[in-house]
Amino acid sequence: EVQLLESGGDLVQPGGSLRLSCAASGFSFTRYDMSWVRQGPGKGLEWVSIISFGGESTYYADSVKGRFSISRDNSKNTLYLQMNSLRAEDTAVYYCAKSKDNLYAFMDVWGKGTTVTVSS
Amino acid sequence: DIQMTQSPSTLSASVGDRVTVTCRASQSISHWLAWFQQKPGKAPKLLIYKASSLESGVPSRFSGSGSGTEFTLTINSLQPDDFATYYCQHYNSYPLTFGGGTKVELK
Repeated sequence: EVQLLESGGDLVQPGGSLRLSCAASGFSFTRYDMSWVRQGPGKGLEWVSIISFGGESTYYADSVKGRFSISRDNSKNTLYLQMNSLRAEDTAVYYCAKSKDNLYAFMDVWGKGTTVTVSS
Repeated sequence: DIQMTQSPSTLSASVGDRVTVTCRASQSISHWLAWFQQKPGKAPKLLIYKASSLESGVPSRFSGSGSGTEFTLTINSLQPDDFATYYCQHYNSYPLTFGGGTKVELK
């Protein structure tokens, strides 16, 4: 069964840091681009970042550029999101998602999400 | 950046109704558009990609159409399981963006 399992969400103070992880199973992780998408409380979906299957290319939303860093360890089938200089507006459920294919960036498999709360 | 605008934001409908949701892009995105369904507390589910291609396992009552800047998601004969929020997403270029969502609720 294709599965994505996020972890690492927590309560953190403004200005703090957090690293999210996403463990993949049931598919060839090394063959697919991977994304992070977030959803603030009561809000819509917001794409955060994407990384190519080999890790060479990364893209970010303007709202997180310079503060967040996406990476992957293909030997561990794991995706990461390093979040620094966190702000209250980063409070959200963070989903990791797999691209359906590597030519086009839309997501066909999603994890259940992990919750990040930024508050003092 | 490409902005995606969905309408309406809320739609009231009954079981059996035909429902249409519209998504407009701020510039042409060809047919690089996906539709997702999301239920409360759950992850989004892919319904449609490339504007009109139905994802495997998705009921045929769902269909998508459009190209350029205007797109529609249609649900024929709305079922109880279809009450949810629907989002469009373009993948023409980075940054990717989602529409604001359309909540389909029971009339």
